[in-house]
Formats: sequence, structure tokens, C-alpha cells
Amino acid sequence: DQQVKQNSPSLSVQEGRISILNCDYTNSMFDYFLWYKKYPAEGPTFLISISSIKDKNEDGRFTVFLNKSAKHLSLHIVPSQPGDSAVYFCAANWGTSGSRLTFGEGTQLTVNP
Amino acid sequence: DTGVSQNPRHKITKRGQNVTFRCDPISEHNRLYWYRQTLGQGPEFLTYFQNEAQLEKSRLLSDRFSAERPKGSFSTLEIQRTEQGDSAMYLCASLTPGDPGANVLTFGAGSRLTVL
Repeated sequence: DQQVKQNSPSLSVQEGRISILNCDYTNSMFDYFLWYKKYPAEGPTFLISISSIKDKNEDGRFTVFLNKSAKHLSLHIVPSQPGDSAVYFCAANWGTSGSRLTFGEGTQLTVNP
Repeated sequence: DTGVSQNPRHKITKRGQNVTFRCDPISEHNRLYWYRQTLGQGPEFLTYFQNEAQLEKSRLLSDRFSAERPKGSFSTLEIQRTEQGDSAMYLCASLTPGDPGANVLTFGAGSRLTVL
């Protein structure tokens, strides 16, 4: 039962363009969503998060959008840089879950110079 | 380095052997989590501790797996009678204190297990 799903295993964009990574979820109890970035041989690193009471959160080049009715969130990176090349994981939890995160499968982003 | 530390980084073992991984969380974090990640998948929750108490275990954590956090500081994850299906990256994370529902897990670099 995959409650958080990232349907695109990979995405390739040109440097300077926008990268859009998508994530869908099925559990209506989720009320907090996070994006993590992972480089090879390192653990996941927190990138940005959004509460279910918001529909947008922005931090520098990174913006996360949440569409609760569609149970869909997306991460926008603009402009994309080669150093952004990594695996991006979408994750979710809810208030009584003990902060236990449920992760998607990940999307490998490659930003070409 | 004040991050989450995991040892060993890589363990190669033969099927049937026991292995133990250690995690040292960020010192002020009272919650500690173990996750497992296999190739092409996201991290999957195994178990978590608040201080020394193990509060939740996933059904992924079979009887061959045991986790402890005896003094509420470091934690160990032991796998007995390893099987090839246990080959994975074992990730430890600790919790950044914050508002309820706004908690962010800080992960270690992981311990990669290869069972031959």
C-alpha cells in the first residue's frame, strides 16, 4: 500500500530552467509534507516543508505547492543548477504519527549544464 | 561534527551471520528513528524511540530484528541470522525539536548492509 507516490523515477532539465517534481498521496490524515534531497553515499537532507493549512511555501529557489483536493504536491526549483542533481523524496506525516514519515519512491533529478 | 553518526558505514556479511549497527543521534534530540532503504525505493520506517522507550515497531521489523536505546542516547539495530533480503541501507534519524506536526527528521549517512 503505497500511500505516497512519486510517479516519475527520473527528470532531466537544463541549467537555468524550472524543475517540477510531483508527488501524490492517498492518506487523508496526512497534514504535513516534506521534501528531502539525497546525494549518493549520504543520508536524505531536509529541503522544504508545508503544512496542510497552507497551499504554498517558498524558500529561495524552492517552492512547494499543495493541492489538498487533488491530494497532490509539487516541488518547483527555479532556476535549476547542476548542484541540484540528486534524488528527491516526498514525505508525509500526521499529528499523531509520532513524526513517523512515509516516503515516496524518489525522483532522480539531473540538471545538465 | 554534531550530526547523526552511523557505524559501520558498510558491512558485508555471509547469510546466517548476525550484524549490529550503531547510531549516535544529535545530542539534544530525544526521538530516534530507524529506516530501511532498498534500491529504487524510498526509506521505509522500522521503529522509533522516545528516550529509551521503543514506542512503535513496523511490521517490517521481523523477529530477527531488535533495536535498543538503553540509556536514551545511542541506539543499536541488530539483525540475527541475516538473509539476502536484508541487504539494504539502514538509516538512522533523530528529531529536531519543533512545533507538533512541524518536526523535521535529521538523517545520518546510513549503514549499508550486503548479505552474500
